Amino acid sequence: EAQVTQNPRYLITVTGKKLTVTCSQNMNHEYMSWYRQDPGLGLRQIYYSMNVEVTDKGDVPEGYKVSRKEKRNFPLILESPSPNQTSLYFCASSLGGYNEQFFGPGTRLTVL
Amino acid sequence: QKEVEQDPGPLSVPEGAIVSLNCTYSNSAFQYFMWYRQYSRKGPELLMYTYSSGNKEDGRFTAQVDKSSKYISLFIRDSQPSDSATYLCAMRDPNTGNQFYFGTGTSLTVIP
Repeated sequence: EAQVTQNPRYLITVTGKKLTVTCSQNMNHEYMSWYRQDPGLGLRQIYYSMNVEVTDKGDVPEGYKVSRKEKRNFPLILESPSPNQTSLYFCASSLGGYNEQFFGPGTRLTVL
Repeated sequence: QKEVEQDPGPLSVPEGAIVSLNCTYSNSAFQYFMWYRQYSRKGPELLMYTYSSGNKEDGRFTAQVDKSSKYISLFIRDSQPSDSATYLCAMRDPNTGNQFYFGTGTSLTVIP
């Protein structure tokens, strides 16, 4: 089944404790992206990647890192999480920047 | 000013009603206009997209773009309870590569 998977789905952590949210797609997509979704602010793009080893900042990249060492994986790294990064995170992928984005199921992160 | 503005609702209509969902945007360079539907606790899924001004129809859904007014709409005819979801508009800025901008979403409930 073609899909985007994210792990973990739910995470509660404490301020400053490094964490990684994994994202994987099995559709051989070139484009992958991370978003955060907050009430009243909607979906905001954090980082995106057009291909392996190519990443670009989105609207709200501060406090996040990404890497794209393999086509199928695009992990989101929070080196020192803070409470304002408490949010619902979505990974998405598409064939290219002009194509339909397929979203993962979301990761609900709480930083205490 | 936000790049994309969308009335958050909530919107509640009886089954069979015509629903109109709208977004305005500030950047005249935006192209590739999309509408996503997001059910509770799920990732967004693409409903429709269009590149240019005018109308595009797909079954009960019609997407309308007016680039001169920087205004896009989604019309749902003969609305069904299964249409109850949050609807997000999105658009792409070609000048920033492949960055996407989303509206905050409009919550729609169709009452049987």
